[in-house]
Formats: sequence, C-alpha cells, structure tokens
Amino acid sequence: DAGITQSPRYKITETGRQVTLMCHQTWSHSYMFWYRQDLGHGLRLIYYSAAADITDKGEVPDGYVVSRSKTENFPLTLESATRSQTSVYFCASSESRIQDDSQPQHFGDGTRLSIL
Amino acid sequence: AQKITQTQPGMFVQEKEAVTLDCTYDTSDPSYGLFWYKQPSSGEMIFLIYQGSYDQQNATEGRYSLNFQKARKSANLVISASQLGDSAMYFCAMREASYTGANSKLTFGKGITLSVRP
Repeated sequence: DAGITQSPRYKITETGRQVTLMCHQTWSHSYMFWYRQDLGHGLRLIYYSAAADITDKGEVPDGYVVSRSKTENFPLTLESATRSQTSVYFCASSESRIQDDSQPQHFGDGTRLSIL
Repeated sequence: AQKITQTQPGMFVQEKEAVTLDCTYDTSDPSYGLFWYKQPSSGEMIFLIYQGSYDQQNATEGRYSLNFQKARKSANLVISASQLGDSAMYFCAMREASYTGANSKLTFGKGITLSVRP
C-alpha cells in the first residue's frame, strides 16, 4: 500500500544507547521531515531533507543524526539517548512543486519512544 | 516571537453545532500558506485544509472552512455541524515561501483540544 510508515511504533531503551527510528514512504516525495511532539510544545522540526543526500537542521537538531541515501527512506538516529529525548516522533513527507506551496505534509503514525 | 499562536484552552462544543478554532500567525513574507491538521486520540496527523496567502476566497473542505483575515493575520478553522468524531487536537501550521520555488518546512502551533459533547 502506498503511504508513509514508521517503525517501530513503540520503543523503550536506556540512556546512553543508540536508537534508530525508521521512516519509509512509497510516494517518491522529494521532501521528508522528522518532528518530535511533546506536551505543551506542539510539533517541533528536528531535521528535514529536500532530496536524497540533502539534509538540513530544523528547530531542535541537537542529539540527532539523519541520513538519506535513498529517496524513500529517512532514518533518524539518537546516538546516545537521553531522558529528554523521550517523546513521540513523527516522520512526514511532501511533494515538491515549483511555484506551488500548497502541498501538505503527510505524516506517519508516529513512534512513541521512552528513554529510561 | 511565536510564528503560530493557538491560545484557546480546551474547547467544548455541543454535537451538531459549529465551532471556531483560532489561529494567528506572524510573518513578514507576502507569500505563505496556512494548514490545519487534526490529531485524534489514536495519534495520527490528518491534513484538513489549506489556505494560500494570495487566495481570494476562503478555503472550504466539506464541513471545514477557513476564516482567513489577512490584515489581522488570522486563519481560524470553522467546523460546522460538529460530530463526536471531531473530538481531537487541532494544529495550525504555516509554510513561508521558499524563494527557490520549492516546498519548505512547516511551523506548527501548540494545538487546541476540541471535545464534542453528545
């Protein structure tokens, strides 16, 4: 089925561990995004990517690493997890059309990450 | 300064009535887009409606409409004939124009919780 999928849906890990959240989309969208959602903060952009091998920082990038070797995949890695990174993480994608900013972002179902 | 402001506390509405969810924004860019998303308790983010800064008409999508007041920098979401399934958190977001002509990122507000009473 076409869409955007995130895995895992739930993850519990310990401080200091490395954890990778996966995101895969089948639309061939150029743009992909990672957000974290915390109570009282809404969604905050961590990193985004305009195309394969092009990534850029968002509002809250510290402690996170991304890569995009293929258009359809955009993994997010916490290299040394901290308790403050406990959150719900959303991946999103959108089309890129010249002179058309109306394209919405389409979201995955989220990954609920708990760091003990 | 916040770019997207959603300050209403939890909102309540009676089933079948209309409700307005407020959103104000701040940008100096003449070209921008405004989006509303719904997040039910199951957690997924659902795109509802889009309004472009140069659009002459207010956007409508089924029971959703956007009351766009450009001079006041507000983009309020109006839900007509509320249903129990409308109970959710609603997020307003803005995309400022990218001068490359391609899409750029969204900035989200903190959201408003809507509860529909039977």
